[in-house]
Amino acid sequence: DSGVTQTPKHLITATGQRVTLRCSPRSGDLSVYWYQQSLDQGLQFLIQYYNGEERAKGNILERFSAQQFPDLHSELNLSSLELGDSALYFCASSVGVGGQGSNTGELFFGEGSRLTVL
Amino acid sequence: GENVEQHPSTLSVQEGDSAVIKCTYSDSASNYFPWYKQELGKRPQLIIDIRSNVGEKKDQRIAVTLNKTAKHFSLHITETQPEDSAVYFCAASTRAGSARQLTFGSGTQLTVLP
Repeated sequence: DSGVTQTPKHLITATGQRVTLRCSPRSGDLSVYWYQQSLDQGLQFLIQYYNGEERAKGNILERFSAQQFPDLHSELNLSSLELGDSALYFCASSVGVGGQGSNTGELFFGEGSRLTVL
Repeated sequence: GENVEQHPSTLSVQEGDSAVIKCTYSDSASNYFPWYKQELGKRPQLIIDIRSNVGEKKDQRIAVTLNKTAKHFSLHITETQPEDSAVYFCAASTRAGSARQLTFGSGTQLTVLP
């Protein structure tokens, strides 16, 4: 158990719909990262938050958005869903400040949320 | 942005043989290189990492080497066992705006044949 909790574990929805994925980081971790893993694909970085603020953005679509709340949990919102959005979405957390002069440190991944868009 | 390339995409070895996975990166400012193992249907987990001030690191049957000049790093697994079968991802810690992020390679599916 990594200490990172993601809900829901599985989600099936239709095209055009909107879903919200939730992540609770490990106790004490201030950074939260979201990754997308499509079938037989690698881990695509979407976005990072540190202590409530967005710190880095990857290849995140405009239809997707995220936020980190004061209690440090994070939500990833996916809207106007398309078939190609079907994937495993991982949340990860780390202690790291993530600033320019520092490393991210070890990332602890949750079990993922498997999204299927029909 | 940073680009991390990983080879091979699939690798099959006989139990007891060694396995080597190689990665290259493009951002010379990258300074932290972890390797993650992802078993089927599971989450990625860190197995070993190396920082840019070190050329080699070993932990039992796994080792990682880093060549900063050539911008490549490798994972070596010796005396492979069936439980080593998994997807392995390399990553590099790179600049992204005001923070650093991990950019992952595309993964290597390692199969250890009994």
